Amino acid sequence: GENVEQHPSTLSVQEGDSAVIKCTYSDSASNYFPWYKQELGKRPQLIIDIRSNVGEKKDQRIAVTLNKTAKHFSLHITETQPEDSAVYFCASCNSGNTPLVFGKGTRLSVI
Amino acid sequence: EAQVTQNPRYLITVTGKKLTVTCSQNMNHEYMSWYRQDPGLGLRQIYYSMNVEVTDKGDVPEGYKVSRKEKRNFPLILESPSPNQTSLYFCASRTASSNQPQHFGDGTRLSIL
Repeated sequence: GENVEQHPSTLSVQEGDSAVIKCTYSDSASNYFPWYKQELGKRPQLIIDIRSNVGEKKDQRIAVTLNKTAKHFSLHITETQPEDSAVYFCASCNSGNTPLVFGKGTRLSVI
Repeated sequence: EAQVTQNPRYLITVTGKKLTVTCSQNMNHEYMSWYRQDPGLGLRQIYYSMNVEVTDKGDVPEGYKVSRKEKRNFPLILESPSPNQTSLYFCASRTASSNQPQHFGDGTRLSIL
C-alpha cells in the first residue's frame, strides 16, 4: 500500500522567512496530494491540494510543487506570520477509491 | 452550513464500559472515515466506509467497530475500551471521488481510565 514520508518533523523559522515541508510517496499511481493545517486543539483543515496533471499550484503565500518522476511534493509558505504556526500534514491517494494516506506531520513554529 | 458533526467532544470513562462516538455529515458524502491522532504518530485510519452498508478496516482497526446503516451517519463503537485507546478521534467525509477534499469533524478527545 501507499506510504508517505514527511520531513522535517519540526521546523522553526523567523517571521517573514520562508518555510518548506517535503513529502515523498511510494505508489506511482497516486494522483491527488492535499495539504492540511491543524492548529492547536482544532481539526485538520485543507489549505491547498494538487493533482498529478499539474506541477505547481499557488494560493497567495502558499504553494505546492509536485515531481511525479521523483515521487515527491512540497509545501512552500512565503513571508511566514505567527498565525502560520501549526502542524501541517501532507497526504496522497490515487483515483481507485483508496483511502487518503497521511504523513506524520510537521510542527511549524514561526518565531 | 456544510459540516461533519461528532459527539461527544470530550469523554472520560473507565475500562470496559462500552461507548459510541457519533459522526454525522450533511453533505451527502458517500465516503466516511475514522482516524485517531496520537503524538508523533500523525493521523492513523481506523475504519472507512465507501457507502451505506460498506465498511473496511484501516490501519489500526483492533478494538473498534463501525456501522453505516444510513448515508449521513458513521458511528464508532468501542465495545470494551482500554487505556491504549485514549486518544483524539476525528471523523471525516468526502464524495465518492478519492481526489476530492476530505472534511473533518471537530474531534473527540477520549480518556479511558
